[in-house]
Amino acid sequence: RKEVEQDPGPFNVPEGATVAFNCTYSNSASQSFFWYRQDCRKEPKLLMSVYSSGNEDGRFTAQLNRASQYISLLIRDSKLSDSATYLCVVFNNDMRFGAGTRLTVKP
Amino acid sequence: NAGVTQTPKFRILKIGQSMTLQCAQDMNHNYMYWYRQDPGMGLKLIYYSVGAGITDKGEVPNGYNVSRSTTEDFPLRLELAAPSQTSVYFCASSPTGNTEAFFGQGTRLTVV
Repeated sequence: RKEVEQDPGPFNVPEGATVAFNCTYSNSASQSFFWYRQDCRKEPKLLMSVYSSGNEDGRFTAQLNRASQYISLLIRDSKLSDSATYLCVVFNNDMRFGAGTRLTVKP
Repeated sequence: NAGVTQTPKFRILKIGQSMTLQCAQDMNHNYMYWYRQDPGMGLKLIYYSVGAGITDKGEVPNGYNVSRSTTEDFPLRLELAAPSQTSVYFCASSPTGNTEAFFGQGTRLTVV
């Protein structure tokens, strides 16, 4: 079983849509969780950290369920500029990435 | 601000050649990482370091070596290049590991 697994995607949605990405991790001792965004042929950049209580940053909401070892990212009111690959990241002494989920937002 | 700097940006190697990918950060971060990313795939951890003098294997260390003699530098060595090592290599650093990691712009390596 992979340490970090994500929805394979791709997701193709119209502008204004709400889209959710899911991620599971195998190591129950994992300490910290993140969502990164990667644009085509660019380096990943932090989108947001994920906290047990859930956290929101504008149109983006991240949730963590430690009991189920599950992380989610919700994007509301999708914009064309949200088109990218979204990477789930889990830290436990080192930093492991999921395979990424590609999102394309269309006009 | 420089952040994380990787050199070279592009390189073509012949099978069996060796090279070192350079990574330097000027943020005094303790944690540094090397990843490879194959087309359409996520990042796979090659090696990481939690401080000068300390390195450890990640998911895919075979065919690579690292050293961390200073806080700033974390070079990745390929000893006998193989076509399977054709990939984009990213270096990253973070202050404490469980905080935001900052990435270099990547090195695109082709082995022919």
